[in-house]
Amino acid sequence: NAGVTQTPKFQVLKTGQSMTLQCAQDMNHNSMYWYRQDPGMGLRLIYYSASEGTTDKGEVPNGYNVSRLNKREFSLRLESAAPSQTSVYFCASSEAELILSYNEQFFGPGTRLTVL
Amino acid sequence: SQKIEQNSEALNIQEGKTATLTCNYTNYSPAYLQWYRQDPGRGPVFLLLIRENEKEKRKERLKVTFDTTLKQSLFHITASQPADSATYLCAPLGSGAGSYQLTFGKGTKLSVIP
Repeated sequence: NAGVTQTPKFQVLKTGQSMTLQCAQDMNHNSMYWYRQDPGMGLRLIYYSASEGTTDKGEVPNGYNVSRLNKREFSLRLESAAPSQTSVYFCASSEAELILSYNEQFFGPGTRLTVL
Repeated sequence: SQKIEQNSEALNIQEGKTATLTCNYTNYSPAYLQWYRQDPGRGPVFLLLIRENEKEKRKERLKVTFDTTLKQSLFHITASQPADSATYLCAPLGSGAGSYQLTFGKGTKLSVIP
């Protein structure tokens, strides 16, 4: 099992460009999450999907959109990148929605994004 | 607003000693709290979960306590080794935007010195 995979590993964008970060999990998990991690800020939730076909905003959703393509895949899109979106992005998954059971989250290796 | 504080950004400890990391939270009552380990350039890895009705949880050299009165969790690594050097994140389950989410602390970077 590969667990949670993310592509690309690194990306440099110019302000105003768009891109999609891809995430896939092979653990048959129902819930998936996108976080960003900035120095001195910790991990912050951008969007999550409790189950296939549903998505909800997290703490910092502005400037992002997500798509839960199927049970395995959850993508994050930056429509018009800004320097403030320079960060490390992590995708995670868990077996079920957090409130329903005491689930751990499994994280991917991250995407390091720089917006110039 | 919900707030999490991990006692220090960095902690240096001698090999063989017990490392104690602190996580304090305010303005909510989490049903449980998780601890993760993060190595440089990697995603966090789950270590332990403790529920609000549990005082203490152990796993090998790791021990976590949860004091809902003090709103605090302590994370202990006994007989610490250089391989334990990493950043440790606490994550209480908080509520927000109509649902429940893990809220992560900024982490404590532990360095175990041989």
